[in-house]
Amino acid sequence: AQSVTQLGSHVSVSEGALVLLRCNYSSSVPPYLFWYVQYPNQGLQLLLKYTTGATLVKGINGFEAEFKKSETSFHLTKPSAHMSDAAEYFCAVSFYNNDMRFGAGTRLTVKP
Amino acid sequence: EAGVAQSPRYKIIEKRQSVAFWCNPISGHATLYWYQQILGQGPKLLIQFQNNGVVDDSQLPKDRFSAERLKGVDSTLKIQPAKLEDSAVYLCASSPRGGSYEQYFGPGTRLTVT
Repeated sequence: AQSVTQLGSHVSVSEGALVLLRCNYSSSVPPYLFWYVQYPNQGLQLLLKYTTGATLVKGINGFEAEFKKSETSFHLTKPSAHMSDAAEYFCAVSFYNNDMRFGAGTRLTVKP
Repeated sequence: EAGVAQSPRYKIIEKRQSVAFWCNPISGHATLYWYQQILGQGPKLLIQFQNNGVVDDSQLPKDRFSAERLKGVDSTLKIQPAKLEDSAVYLCASSPRGGSYEQYFGPGTRLTVT
């Protein structure tokens, strides 16, 4: 069965520092992978997605993620954190017509 | 393009009472999802509709939860009777179709059961 594991329920970085949020998945077939962001009292907003093709995916707000099949990973990065990046981030996996399974989320805190 | 609309945004009820949530998806989106998000957890799928038919309701507690999508557009999720453990945010999402297309989420309804 497909599943997603996000390593670290809480990540804290300084403004301007590298952001790295980790996501690993389990799947017997190639998955579709997503990163969503959730700001307080709001719904989820898509940051980026991987379906096929280029394994390095660029998203909104300067975020990117790399699909590494050998490591079953889809880590999210941003070179320089901004205060406005503070939010909850969710990694998700789905297949062709299947439902989307979400990780437990990682709360990102950005210190001034 | 208008996003996914949900109402109410907040609801407080006592246990054993009933409650209903409403969702209006993005125009033209055939697939509609209801998720339950408990504090500190990721969203969990409750039910998925394709047009007005149910695709997956395997995680819906059918003894107390029900959902419908009449005419393949708006949807209503009902809980009757509510339990304390139903306290959560209920998210509605829609997509052009299931699979690789991303899902577009509404703001959610925060339910508190006392």
